[in-house]
Amino acid sequence: GAVVSQHPSRVICKSGTSVKIECRSLDFQATTMFWYRQFPKQSLMLMATSNEGSKATYEQGVEKDKFLINHASLTLSTLTVTSAHPEDSSFYICSVRDLISRISNEQFFGPGTRLTVL
Amino acid sequence: SQKIEQNSEALNIQEGKTATLTCNYTNYSPAYLQWYRQDPGRGPVFLLLIRENEKEKRKERLKVTFDTTLKQSLFHITASQPADSATYLCALVLNDYKLSFGAGTTVTVRA
Repeated sequence: GAVVSQHPSRVICKSGTSVKIECRSLDFQATTMFWYRQFPKQSLMLMATSNEGSKATYEQGVEKDKFLINHASLTLSTLTVTSAHPEDSSFYICSVRDLISRISNEQFFGPGTRLTVL
Repeated sequence: SQKIEQNSEALNIQEGKTATLTCNYTNYSPAYLQWYRQDPGRGPVFLLLIRENEKEKRKERLKVTFDTTLKQSLFHITASQPADSATYLCALVLNDYKLSFGAGTTVTVRA
């Protein structure tokens, strides 16, 4: 299956600063990547769908001006949390969808990024 | 409103026994249902997919059933091992290929 990496794995920042998280598909070209957020003991919540070369599609209730997504190449999507606040502290996970996989709906997840906003 | 419920937060079982996890959903009509494993501080790993027209799917010691009338999927781990200890997530695959996840059930297998 696809190998997905995220950087950084952990980040601590001060309130009001911006943080960029990278998601890379290492072994195939991904036209679609997904960004999720997971709070402790809760389910993964889809935040947005990142489409290469076009604007991201955000889920209801997710502020697109706060969570900036850029999918500039087929192997890289970035999520920038702007003006971060303590309530943005969470586990952010990206995934890619392998369009040529025989299990066409399988998604491959990155290892996640733990964001802590002080 | 749409809801996905997994039977319990935690399940503790003895090594060698079968763990049975439940996923119930309301107000969804998924084309597929998937099960993932998530270890602490890691992203989910895909385990099995079952389609709406399939009753049962197996993979090694794992078995999944899908009852679209009951709106329920059961996930079984047979001959459980301590290495099976993890959180297991069910996910509904919606028509636009997005995934909607349950909160997960944490399984602990005692040696």
